[in-house]
Amino acid sequence: AQSVTQLGSHVSVSEGALVLLRCNYSSSVPPYLFWYVQYPNQGLQLLLKYTSAATLVKGINGFEAEFKKSETSFHLTKPSAHMSDAAEYFCAVTRGGGADGLTFGKGTHLIIQP
Amino acid sequence: DTAVSQTPKYLVTQMGNDKSIKCEQNLGHDTMYWYKQDSKKFLKIMFSYNNKELIINETVPNRFSPKSPDKAHLNLHINSLELGDSAVYFCASSHGDGGTQYFGPGTRLLVL
Repeated sequence: AQSVTQLGSHVSVSEGALVLLRCNYSSSVPPYLFWYVQYPNQGLQLLLKYTSAATLVKGINGFEAEFKKSETSFHLTKPSAHMSDAAEYFCAVTRGGGADGLTFGKGTHLIIQP
Repeated sequence: DTAVSQTPKYLVTQMGNDKSIKCEQNLGHDTMYWYKQDSKKFLKIMFSYNNKELIINETVPNRFSPKSPDKAHLNLHINSLELGDSAVYFCASSHGDGGTQYFGPGTRLLVL
């Protein structure tokens, strides 16, 4: 069984400050890990994906995440927050192979203060 | 061109009715999915389907049934709608080998 824990249902940062959204996973097999972003009343857009290649993954819009097996973590960061980053962020895990669906965390709502 | 599309975008209906939501993908993917997002924004897999297998989340009531006329389409049929079925339903597709899942815009279902 797999699970994802996102610490902090709401995170507030000032514009220009570092963004750090936390994600810890549990998986019995080497996982595929994802970060998705959801803007209000829209679908989910992929930010980045880890598939056992480089442990530091760069995504779109200046986001990156580091896979740390020892900590079972896949935290999302961005050096400098922009107002347009305000959205809901979801971490997800899958085993890969076959028709496996994604197991999502409960999401983190990112608030950007001007 | 929209990669994953869903119709309708909004659906308002009465309890007890039967409704369908359609999903189409033009990415050439072999695997499609349905997810439910509840009022707290929690996303949960309902079904995943490729030409080899249908995987059903055991928590999904049997009133929900996926129907796939071909590889590019996976429709969701819901019988005897209940108030608790109100949610946003997302379709997604991928290459079924851990590939990235691409999501549709969602269908907002409200059961009155």
